[in-house]
Amino acid sequence: DSGVTQTPKHLITATGQRVTLRCSPRSGDLSVYWYQQSLDQGLQFLIQYYNGEERAKGNILERFSAQQFPDLHSELNLSSLELGDSALYFCASTREGGDSLATDTQYFGPGTRLTVL
Amino acid sequence: AQKITQTQPGMFVQEKEAVTLDCTYDTSDPSYGLFWYKQPSSGEMIFLIYQGSYDQQNATEGRYSLNFQKARKSANLVISASQLGDSAMYFCAMRETTDSWGKLQFGAGTQVVVTP
Repeated sequence: DSGVTQTPKHLITATGQRVTLRCSPRSGDLSVYWYQQSLDQGLQFLIQYYNGEERAKGNILERFSAQQFPDLHSELNLSSLELGDSALYFCASTREGGDSLATDTQYFGPGTRLTVL
Repeated sequence: AQKITQTQPGMFVQEKEAVTLDCTYDTSDPSYGLFWYKQPSSGEMIFLIYQGSYDQQNATEGRYSLNFQKARKSANLVISASQLGDSAMYFCAMRETTDSWGKLQFGAGTQVVVTP
C-alpha cells in the first residue's frame, strides 16, 4: 500500500458526460501528479500541483482540468467525454515540489479505471 | 523524441532464474533520476528501485538491482531468483531536474511472465 488513495476504482459512463476523479496524497506529501495510461499512448503525464498551485502541465486536453484543495487532496475533472478517454488514471504524490535532485520518488495510487461507452 | 526505450515487449523466465530488463534513456540534463515500477495485472504501479545520475554505485533493493551504465545511457533492471509473483509489466522511467517540475517519463514497458 503506497498510502495514496484514489476514488472511485472503476467508473463507467457515456460519451459527452463529465466525471470527477479524486486523489488523496500520502500524509505529508505536498505534490500531486496525474497520469493517464492508455493502450495506444502508454503512460503520459497530465498535470502537477504543489501545495494547491498548478506547477506543470503535460499532454492534458482542454476538456480536462484539475485542482488541489487546501487539505491537499486533488481532483481531476474530465468533461465532454469521448471513447478515447477510456484509460487508467493515476495520481502520484511526493513530499517536495519536484525541484530537488530527482530523488523524490513518486508513489502511485491504485488508479481509477474509466470506461466511456 | 522517445526519452525512454524499452526494447523487450515481453519475455518468459523460469522460476528461480535471474532476468534482465533493458532500459536506455536519452537526456542532456546532467542531473536526473531513473526509476523502475512494477504493474501487476491488478493495475497498481509499485515503485521498485531508484538510481540517481550521480550515484557511484548501482542501486539494489532486495532481489532487484540496477545495472547502471551512464556512458551508454542504460539502466537495466535485474531481478534475481524470479518468483511467480514477479509476473507483471515493468516500466522504466526518468525524471529530469530541469524539466517541468520532475514529471516522470515512462518507457513502453516489458511484460514478464514467470513460469514454474
